[in-house]
Amino acid sequence: AQSVTQLGSHVSVSEGALVLLRCNYSSSVPPYLFWYVQYPNQGLQLLLKYTSAATLVKGINGFEAEFKKSETSFHLTKPSAHMSDAAEYFCAVSENQAGTALIFGKGTTLSVSS
Amino acid sequence: GAGVSQSPSNKVTEKGKDVELRCDPISGHTALYWYRQSLGQGLEFLIYFQGNSAPDKSGLPSDRFSAERTGGSVSTLTIQRTQQEDSAVYLCASSRHSGRGGNEQFFGPGTRLTVL
Repeated sequence: AQSVTQLGSHVSVSEGALVLLRCNYSSSVPPYLFWYVQYPNQGLQLLLKYTSAATLVKGINGFEAEFKKSETSFHLTKPSAHMSDAAEYFCAVSENQAGTALIFGKGTTLSVSS
Repeated sequence: GAGVSQSPSNKVTEKGKDVELRCDPISGHTALYWYRQSLGQGLEFLIYFQGNSAPDKSGLPSDRFSAERTGGSVSTLTIQRTQQEDSAVYLCASSRHSGRGGNEQFFGPGTRLTVL
């Protein structure tokens, strides 16, 4: 069975600092991996996804993530945090086949202070 | 173009009542998913529809939950005899279908259900 673990339910950074949100997955088959962001009182928005092409994936708003099979990780990073990045971030995995649902991690709330 | 829409945005009901939640997917998206987001449980998959195929109901928590999708478009999630533990935000998502996974799921804003 697939699963996702997000280390740290809450991460706080200063504006301009590096953002690192951790995600580890478990999957018996090659996975597809996703990061979604949820702003307060809004739905989920896709930041980026890994679908077995390049291991370093660039997404919107300056975020990127690197797929590391040996570490079963897909950590999300951004070189310089902005106040507008404050939100909840979800890592998700799905199987490499049609029609499978996303399995989400518990989420990480990112706070950005000035 | 329009995104995924859900109605109502908020629903307050009394324990034991039935509720219906509606989802309008993005036009042309053949796959539709329901998820539930609650404190302590995170985001949980409930049910998946793809075209005219039988839905994947493997995530439904009990037989009080059911869903249908009419005409391959609009979907309704029904919860019968609601319980307080059903209180959550119910999210609908849709995606294009392909022979493989990995398609982006587009999420609606959700319906916040409160069972008193």
